[in-house]
Amino acid sequence: EAGVVQSPRYKIIEKKQPVAFWCNPISGHNTLYWYRQNLGQGPELLIRYENEEAVDDSQLPKDRFSAERLKGVDSTLKIQPAELGDSAVYLCASSLLNRETQYFGPGTRLLVL
Amino acid sequence: AQSVTQLDSQVPVFEEAPVELRCNYSSSVSVYLFWYVQYPNQGLQLLLKYLSGSTLVESINGFEAEFNKSQTSFHLRKPSVHISDTAEYFCAVSAQTNSGYSTLTFGKGTMLLVSP
Repeated sequence: EAGVVQSPRYKIIEKKQPVAFWCNPISGHNTLYWYRQNLGQGPELLIRYENEEAVDDSQLPKDRFSAERLKGVDSTLKIQPAELGDSAVYLCASSLLNRETQYFGPGTRLLVL
Repeated sequence: AQSVTQLDSQVPVFEEAPVELRCNYSSSVSVYLFWYVQYPNQGLQLLLKYLSGSTLVESINGFEAEFNKSQTSFHLRKPSVHISDTAEYFCAVSAQTNSGYSTLTFGKGTMLLVSP
């Protein structure tokens, strides 16, 4: 069974540019999470989806971040415009609905110059 | 709200020595507890978890952790480490709620450095 797939694995952009990350969860997993992991820190939740509904986006900086999961399967996280402080690893995770165990993808490492 | 404290940012140890990575949590409700491992340039992999039942849980590669409710701890141990255990280890907590559980709150991580 394939795990959580993320692309790209690495991205380098200049500040003020837009960037997008893509995630495909494990097949059958209704719940999808986006986390941000700053250097030397643990992951912090940005948004959680149950199917196509964002059920927890309280930590998503909505002025520049947006996310979508239109068909309740794969998801895209966008930053526009990017700032220097957005440099981090963006992790996607998925789980079965109402199950506590999450499975993580390899992450996208973003560097904003 | 929940919080997790990992007391050591780095733990250096020699190969075949025992190791303990400490984790304490804070929560006003019952919790689920997890240890994740992150190898360089990779995502997080679930190492072990405590949901209910026996307070001692084990992983397939020799790690174990014990849930201690009175001390609000979930320390990770291994009796003999290998070079390949070098990685960052994250403790995480999820609170039990009426609708199931809350989202994961992670500690800052402990870097385990195993040298020959």
